[in-house]
Amino acid sequence: NAGVTQTPKFRILKIGQSMTLQCAQDMNHNYMYWYRQDPGMGLKLIYYSVGAGITDKGEVPNGYNVSRSTTEDFPLRLELAAPSQTSVYFCASSEEEAFFGQGTRLTVV
Amino acid sequence: DAKTTQPTSMDCAEGRAANLPCNHSTISGNEYVYWYRQIHSQGPQYIIHGLKNNETNEMASLIITEDRKSSTLILPHATLRDTAVYYCIVRPRAQKLVFGQGTRLTINP
Repeated sequence: NAGVTQTPKFRILKIGQSMTLQCAQDMNHNYMYWYRQDPGMGLKLIYYSVGAGITDKGEVPNGYNVSRSTTEDFPLRLELAAPSQTSVYFCASSEEEAFFGQGTRLTVV
Repeated sequence: DAKTTQPTSMDCAEGRAANLPCNHSTISGNEYVYWYRQIHSQGPQYIIHGLKNNETNEMASLIITEDRKSSTLILPHATLRDTAVYYCIVRPRAQKLVFGQGTRLTINP
């Protein structure tokens, strides 16, 4: 039982490049989330999903896209990376209590 | 979701009980009080949650006032490893999870 697994752990992107942050959970949770956390700041909800095929915007969705084709996976897509997207990204899943991944540290240069 | 108010920061001596307050005066009848914490650079960790009764687990106790407008998280014997940002979140059981600014708790030797 691995919990929530995020890949990669670290990534450096150039401005304008695209990438997908992967998130997988093995707890059969319906709810999944993506957050970003800028240095010294709190967590901001980017997108969330209440089940396969259903996604919704959070507090800061601009510049990101998500999909939820299976219960287990919830990838986050950055299409045109910008320096403002430099952050640590956390994925989580929940039913009653939420479990978080270890984070992806992304730098856009 | 109901808004919560927490002190920005608190200090506590190692070995003493740490009492973290949270105000949620607009809480609705179906909203639970959840507590999470984030130790530096790690993903947030679930601590405890409750509806109206006091709750205790191996990590902490949660005291909710009778009118449910405030609560206190109690770490009974704080250690240096409890230094973290603590988040109080009020939400219905099956709802998205949004974080506020939290309380930065520092445990001093």
